[in-house]
Amino acid sequence: DAKTTQPPSMDCAEGRAANLPCNHSTISGNEYVYWYRQIHSQGPQYIIHGLKNNETNEMASLIITEDRKSSTLILPHATLRDTAVYYCIVADTGTASKLTFGTGTRLQVTL
Amino acid sequence: GAVVSQHPSWVICKSGTSVKIECRSLDFQATTMFWYRQFPKQSLMLMATSNEGSKATYEQGVEKDKFLINHASLTLSTLTVTSAHPEDSSFYICSASPGQQGTGEQYFGPGTRLTVT
Repeated sequence: DAKTTQPPSMDCAEGRAANLPCNHSTISGNEYVYWYRQIHSQGPQYIIHGLKNNETNEMASLIITEDRKSSTLILPHATLRDTAVYYCIVADTGTASKLTFGTGTRLQVTL
Repeated sequence: GAVVSQHPSWVICKSGTSVKIECRSLDFQATTMFWYRQFPKQSLMLMATSNEGSKATYEQGVEKDKFLINHASLTLSTLTVTSAHPEDSSFYICSASPGQQGTGEQYFGPGTRLTVT
């Protein structure tokens, strides 16, 4: 699986958009970009994933660059409950590929 | 969304005893489940891939005779930590994927905190 690089930490004011970057310059053509988050002492939560097109769901938006070497997860209106570690992972899809978790980005949402 | 449960949520056991942790997919069938371990202030480390009806696949460095995995049905996988020692104290998390019913995303259980005394 391709390796990802994320900033170790970010801060965001409540109500503002949180933009979390991820570099995955070695991504291969059959690999998707997945985003998960882990709130303290809980299991990770699936957020969103995409291949090459931008994606949006009720939780977030995912913007993938045209060359697919980087992506940005956008939480449009961050709340205190969005404080968590966010993991960007690239992996094959289809038959439940195993996920390799990096160190992620610790997002702190503040008042 | 898909729900995965784990039981127990926490357990304390004495050194040398065995502990079984259950992972259930509540509203979907999962031919594949995954077991992870997470030590304090560290990321999740994949331990093994559990396949329904067949032997689990263990990651390098994970002792298969110590961490027994059974995936007897499409909704249940169990992890048994045998002869537990204090260094096995950790947060154990399972995940499951709807597989062909979905597009590769995995859903995680809430985790089981194991403390070996």
